[in-house]
Amino acid sequence: DAGITQSPRHKVTETGTPVTLRCHQTENHRYMYWYRQDPGHGLRLIHYSYGVKDTDKGEVSDGYSVSRSKTEDFLLTLESATSSQTSVYFCAINRGRDVTDTQYFGPGTRLTVL
Amino acid sequence: GENVEQHPSTLSVQEGDSAVIKCTYSDSASNYFPWYKQELGKRPQLIIDIRSNVGEKKDQRIAVTLNKTAKHFSLHITETQPEDSAVYFCAAMGAGNMLTFGGGTRLMVKP
Repeated sequence: DAGITQSPRHKVTETGTPVTLRCHQTENHRYMYWYRQDPGHGLRLIHYSYGVKDTDKGEVSDGYSVSRSKTEDFLLTLESATSSQTSVYFCAINRGRDVTDTQYFGPGTRLTVL
Repeated sequence: GENVEQHPSTLSVQEGDSAVIKCTYSDSASNYFPWYKQELGKRPQLIIDIRSNVGEKKDQRIAVTLNKTAKHFSLHITETQPEDSAVYFCAAMGAGNMLTFGGGTRLMVKP
């Protein structure tokens, strides 16, 4: 899906280092989300945003922070990475006007914390 | 919060057979139920969704049914093909307007 990109696509880091993942959209949509995907757990919501500087916590927000200073970018930061944060991280956008409209996922970032 | 359980975790069928995946949810206020298909190493992609004011929805070989009283919904794939092999996820959007996903079903279609 050309409307959502994530960077980096792969990252290996060490325990205790800060990490920032970027989600970029080209379509000016209001709602953006960060999920993590782990075997047996499906996708779990970390944080979401409903506009510039408007963010809220999801199901598994501990150890993560987010920022959205521009409509097109939603950043996910691990302040001090731990091995339990090794996962695949997906960003998603909602292309509709209503929060219950369909979410579309980015290509994902595979993060390994050693 | 919402809790979504999905069964079975793995499903193997012969090409041409039907496949059924079932999900239950806990939040009676949930009103939106999408299904996603994820191929190995790829992003989840929406294949069909249903809202609480509808009991069934079809799109070619795929159908979804919703029973709000029992709080369960199901994905039905008919005439399965090898390219249907993937992991399928159900999800429900509850009162907090957050999607909660099931644990996934790995569908294998044997030629």
